[in-house]
Order: sequence, then C-alpha cells, then structure tokens
Amino acid sequence: GESVGLHLPTLSVQEGDNSIINCAYSNSASDYFIWYKQESGKGPQFIIDIRSNMDKRQGQRVTVLLNKTVKHLSLQIAATQPGDSAVYFCAGSTSGTYKYIFGTGTRLKVLA
Amino acid sequence: NAGVTQTPKFQVLKTGQSMTLQCAQDMNHNSMYWYRQDPGMGLRLIYYSASEGTTDKGEVPNGYNVSRLNKREFSLRLESAAPSQTSVYFCASTVTGVTGELFFGEGSRLTVL
Repeated sequence: GESVGLHLPTLSVQEGDNSIINCAYSNSASDYFIWYKQESGKGPQFIIDIRSNMDKRQGQRVTVLLNKTVKHLSLQIAATQPGDSAVYFCAGSTSGTYKYIFGTGTRLKVLA
Repeated sequence: NAGVTQTPKFQVLKTGQSMTLQCAQDMNHNSMYWYRQDPGMGLRLIYYSASEGTTDKGEVPNGYNVSRLNKREFSLRLESAAPSQTSVYFCASTVTGVTGELFFGEGSRLTVL
C-alpha cells in the first residue's frame, strides 16, 4: 500500500551545524508534501510544504528538496539550534483524495 | 484563537468500555481527520471527513466509528475498547479544495487496561 517513510529514526547534530532529514514516498501520484515538527507532548506543527511542480522551497532556516524521479524529499535545517530538538515527520497527499499519509518520524537531537 | 480543540486530553478505560473523543475546529475548515500515534509508528489515519456529511476510512479504521456532527465537530467513538487501542489520538483539519496544511489539536492520550 501507500507509504511514506524516513531513512533514519534518530539524527544527532552539533549545535550550529546543518541538519538533513530524509523521507521517501511510494505513491508516484502524491503531489503535495508537508514537513511537521512535533515536540514532546504536543501536536505536530507545520514547518514547510512543497508541491510537485517545485523542486525546492525555502523558509526561515529551512529548505525542502523534492526529487520526484526517485520519490524522495529532504528537510534541511540551517544552523541547528537546541530548540530544533524534536521529532520531524513528512507527509504526502494526492490532490482530490483528501488523505494525508505520514512517515514514521525522525528524532533530531541537538548536541551542545 | 482556539484552532483545533480535543477533549478529553487524558482517559483511562477498561477493556470493553466505550467512549467518544470530541474534536472541534473554529477555522471554518471543510475537512477533518482522526489520527493515532503509537511509539515508532508515526501518525496513522483512522478516519477522515472531506466535507460535512461525508466520512471515509483511513489506514486503520477497525474498532472505530466517526460522526461528522456539523462543519465544526468530528467525533471518534470506540464502541468496545481494546488494549491495542492504547495510543495518542490527534484530530486535524484543513481547507478543502486546494491541498494544504493540516492543523492539529494537542492530542488525547487514551489508555485501555
């Protein structure tokens, strides 16, 4: 069935370094992707999204890259800060289906 | 600005008991969703409602029922709770028409003994 997954369950980075979190999806019809951040005990918070007609989108300290050929997307966080420590999820959706399928998540640990 | 509100935040049930999780949004969104989150499993879609008057099964619908009471409210019911339904449940909503951001509630932690 349709799936969205991430390559690594935990990622540890030094404060100030850049972080890259990867995600793979299986449904080639997926045309919209979102990255969420979830802190302990809270609901997921929107970080950035990208539609399939784009390869790259930038926000504040974050960049999402989409490679439709290999069905892969990544979230890059520049100058990682302690406040970035959380679990990060990618989710994919296909226009008209109203369904959003989430990956299992990557826990980002920022080392001082 | 409340956004998506879920009640209760915590609940402990015995096997076989029933309960309803309530969700309400004040953003005039058309689509609403129920997810469950288990350790290491990410968020899995239980049911969703694309618009008022419609509901559809997601990835893991067994053991659950839903009601889209009106545009604002979407409830999730466990008719006969099982330990396997111990989880954190999240409600979310979004505007229909153009695929966009899901807005989440803070979650409801359910334990079934």
